[in-house]
Amino acid sequence: GAGVSQTPSNKVTEKGKYVELRCDPISGHTALYWYRQSLGQGPEFLIYFQGTGAADDSGLPNDRFFAVRPEGSVSTLKIQRTERGDSAVYLCASSPRGQVGSYNEQFFGPGTRLTVL
Amino acid sequence: QKEVEQNSGPLSVPEGAIASLNCTYSDRGSQSFFWYRQYSGKSPELIMSIYSNGDKEDGRFTAQLNKASQYVSLLIRDSQPSDSATYLCAVNINAGGTSYGKLTFGQGTILTVHP
Repeated sequence: GAGVSQTPSNKVTEKGKYVELRCDPISGHTALYWYRQSLGQGPEFLIYFQGTGAADDSGLPNDRFFAVRPEGSVSTLKIQRTERGDSAVYLCASSPRGQVGSYNEQFFGPGTRLTVL
Repeated sequence: QKEVEQNSGPLSVPEGAIASLNCTYSDRGSQSFFWYRQYSGKSPELIMSIYSNGDKEDGRFTAQLNKASQYVSLLIRDSQPSDSATYLCAVNINAGGTSYGKLTFGQGTILTVHP
């Protein structure tokens, strides 16, 4: 079946601009996660949705970052007033919930490479 | 102390050898542990998950968990050049028995398998 998809694959923007990154999870997965990965580092947690609500947003670095999942499927990560330090690969993952044996196994999309000039 | 620590490597092994990758974690209450493989320029791919003390085998991969020592490892038998990648250890730090929260990753170990 189809995996997690993310669009765009690459985004180049100028400092101060607004960007939106989209994630379409695996069909039927109710949990959705956003991570950010810088070169040479492991992914860093940003926010986790269970259904439509943000169950844990403790990883969002500041109030310029916001994410929504209005219908419990597709999610959008929004970054206002982008800064050069926001440049990274933004990864989305989804996970089934409620299935026996699925202890939070998360499956990643291909990522969006964001470059802020 | 980092929550999840891995040797960054690089780890270099000859083709056919056993590669051993190690990871330690700080939260004694952690319950779920994962190994991801990440090829250069690609996203992480889940290769193993382990929840109970002991060994779990899947093909050429064996995950080992020791909760008392807060240690998890990944063994790759009969290593192939195609196994060359960064291996990421991930821990569900705030897990209870059925927690579905965030993963905390180590910085990854670069593995090179040379012919």
